[in-house]
Amino acid sequence: KAGVTQTPRYLIKTRGQQVTLSCSPISGHRSVSWYQQTPGQGLQFLFEYFSETQRNKGNFPGRFSGRQFSNSRSEMNVSTLELGDSALYLCASSLGFGQPNNSPLHFGNGTRLTVT
Amino acid sequence: GNSVTQMEGPVTLSEEAFLTINCTYTATGYPSLFWYVQYPGEGLQLLLKATKADDKGSNKGFEATYRKETTSFHLEKGSVQVSDSAVYFCALNSQGAQKLVFGQGTRLTINP
Repeated sequence: KAGVTQTPRYLIKTRGQQVTLSCSPISGHRSVSWYQQTPGQGLQFLFEYFSETQRNKGNFPGRFSGRQFSNSRSEMNVSTLELGDSALYLCASSLGFGQPNNSPLHFGNGTRLTVT
Repeated sequence: GNSVTQMEGPVTLSEEAFLTINCTYTATGYPSLFWYVQYPGEGLQLLLKATKADDKGSNKGFEATYRKETTSFHLEKGSVQVSDSAVYFCALNSQGAQKLVFGQGTRLTINP
C-alpha cells in the first residue's frame, strides 16, 4: 500500500508570494492533518480535515489555510509568505476522526519550503 | 494546556550501549502517548504507542511504559545499533483528537 505522498518535495518562494502544497493520504484514510516543523519551534499542528471539513485548527495566522477534496486529498495554502514560514511541512493521514488509539498518524516525507 | 518535555540532546552512544530518552508530559484527561522517529530527509514514523496507564509499547527492541503516577513515557533500548541514529519525538494526544503535541525531539547518534 502506498504511503502518504506530498508534492513537491522542495519549494523556493519569495516573500509576499503564495504557495500551495499537496498531500495524498494512504488509500482508505479519511483524515488528513498538517504540521509545521522548524528548528526553533519544533513540530506544530496546523489543522486537520475529515470528510472535507476542518475539524481542528492550531494557532497559526489566517494566512495559513487548507482544504480537503472528496477523494481525501488535501492542499494547504500559505499566502503573503514571510521569511519565518520557511519550514518542513508534514502531512499525516489516518483512518478517521476520533480514532487515534486504533489509527495512529502516518506521515509523509514533507515539503521543504524556503522563503527568500 | 497539554505539553511534552524531552531530555535535551544530542545524545551520542557507542554501538550496543543501553539507551534511555526521558519524556514527561502534562495533559488533561487520559492522553495516548507515542514515540515517533525521524530519519534524515524523511517524515516521522510511528515507533510505538501506549493508550492507557501501565501499558507498555514496544517495537524493534524499543520499549516505553506509560507511567501515570510520574507522567512519564521514557524510551529504552537494551542494545543500540548504528541504524538507530535518528531524531526521536515523544508525543501525546487526548480527547479523541488527531492533533498531536510533540516534544522538542532528541537527536541520537550511535557510533560503531
